[in-house]
Amino acid sequence: AQSVSQHNHHVILSEAASLELGCNYSYGGTVNLFWYVQYPGQHLQLLLKYFSGDPLVKGIKGFEAEFIKSKFSFNLRKPSVQWSDTAEYFCAVNVAGNTGKLIFGQGTTLQVKP
Amino acid sequence: EPEVTQTPSHQVTQMGQEVILRCVPISNHLYFYWYRQILGQKVEFLVSFYNNEISEKSEIFDDQFSVERPDGSNFTLKIRSTKLEDSAMYFCASSEEAYQPQHFGDGTRLSIL
Repeated sequence: AQSVSQHNHHVILSEAASLELGCNYSYGGTVNLFWYVQYPGQHLQLLLKYFSGDPLVKGIKGFEAEFIKSKFSFNLRKPSVQWSDTAEYFCAVNVAGNTGKLIFGQGTTLQVKP
Repeated sequence: EPEVTQTPSHQVTQMGQEVILRCVPISNHLYFYWYRQILGQKVEFLVSFYNNEISEKSEIFDDQFSVERPDGSNFTLKIRSTKLEDSAMYFCASSEEAYQPQHFGDGTRLSIL
């Protein structure tokens, strides 16, 4: 069965520190990859997506992610975090050609200290 | 920006009772989904719905669950006889196409007593 795992459950950083959140998935075929963010009290929002093409994708708010097919990974990065980045981050995978079902990782809580 | 709206935001129900969770997807979207997140666990897929029928459902989505699009705007999730383990946050989502990013509602927190 397909699965997604996020390596870090809880990350605490100071402002201006760099961020990298790991995400690995298990599926041998073509996938679409997503990172969603959930700010406190808000709904899940799309940060960025990868369908095909350039494996380095840029999203909103200065986030980017790199798809490494050989490692089945889609890690999220941001060079310099801000206090407002405090949120929960979810990696999700959708198997290409299926019904749209998203398989989520367990989420990473990011706390940025001012 | 158009949003997916869910009502109610919090539902408290006695075990064994029926509950209906409501969602209004984005108007030009064609694919609709329900997910749930039990406290401290992953967001789990329940069901996808397209062209007025279920296109995929998970093992969680047993005979106690049903979905319906009763009119052109609402998309509902019904749990016929709730159990304690149905307590969770339920998210509705919609997308234009199956592979396109899904837009999520704020969720309904369902508490079964």
